[in-house]
Amino acid sequence: AQKITQTQPGMFVQEKEAVTLDCTYDTSDQSYGLFWYKQPSSGEMIFLIYQGSYDEQNATEGRYSLNFQKARKSANLVISASQLGDSAMYFCAMREDGGNEKLTFGTGTRLTIIP
Amino acid sequence: IAGITQAPTSQILAAGRRMTLRCTQDMRHNAMYWYRQDLGLGLRLIHYSNTAGTTGKGEVPDGYSVSRANTDDFPLTLASAVPSQTSVYFCASSGFPNTEAFFGQGTRLTVV
Repeated sequence: AQKITQTQPGMFVQEKEAVTLDCTYDTSDQSYGLFWYKQPSSGEMIFLIYQGSYDEQNATEGRYSLNFQKARKSANLVISASQLGDSAMYFCAMREDGGNEKLTFGTGTRLTIIP
Repeated sequence: IAGITQAPTSQILAAGRRMTLRCTQDMRHNAMYWYRQDLGLGLRLIHYSNTAGTTGKGEVPDGYSVSRANTDDFPLTLASAVPSQTSVYFCASSGFPNTEAFFGQGTRLTVV
């Protein structure tokens, strides 16, 4: 079964607009972590933001915030005031804490910022 | 070495040949991972290791093997390469639970 689902293969957003990238996950564990990574065209994987399953507040890191809705098992990434440099692939990932350290990724969303 | 290093950066390999992709980290992270990235499929976990001496299978382990003799090194071996193993391979490591994983720069492997 797919653990991480990203339903938006591609998105186009006007510069300076906010954008939400969707991520849903599937787990029976009570303790887990959710991550977002950015992969620009150069290929490196850049960590953006982390949310723990027991964190009561949504994580924020600068222009990035994570809209965590535990009951719906969703962990959407919100980028405020998008910039041209935000054009990249974005991956959602989850690590379950049930005794192993598997870190599984979704298929990604390609975000293109339009000037 | 600073962080996590993969070698080689790229390789063209004849089908049927054996190949080992190297991964070394100097952060003393317990957990290490190997992924392959293919267009439209995201990053798929091949094998992982929670700590030195232990390994586990990911989503797509067939045709690959790993070892974790020490904390720093996590080599990935293709015993007999096939063209479907053409991909970009990423190694990653992470420390305490629920801290981010750090990635190597990737190895682009082409099997012909």
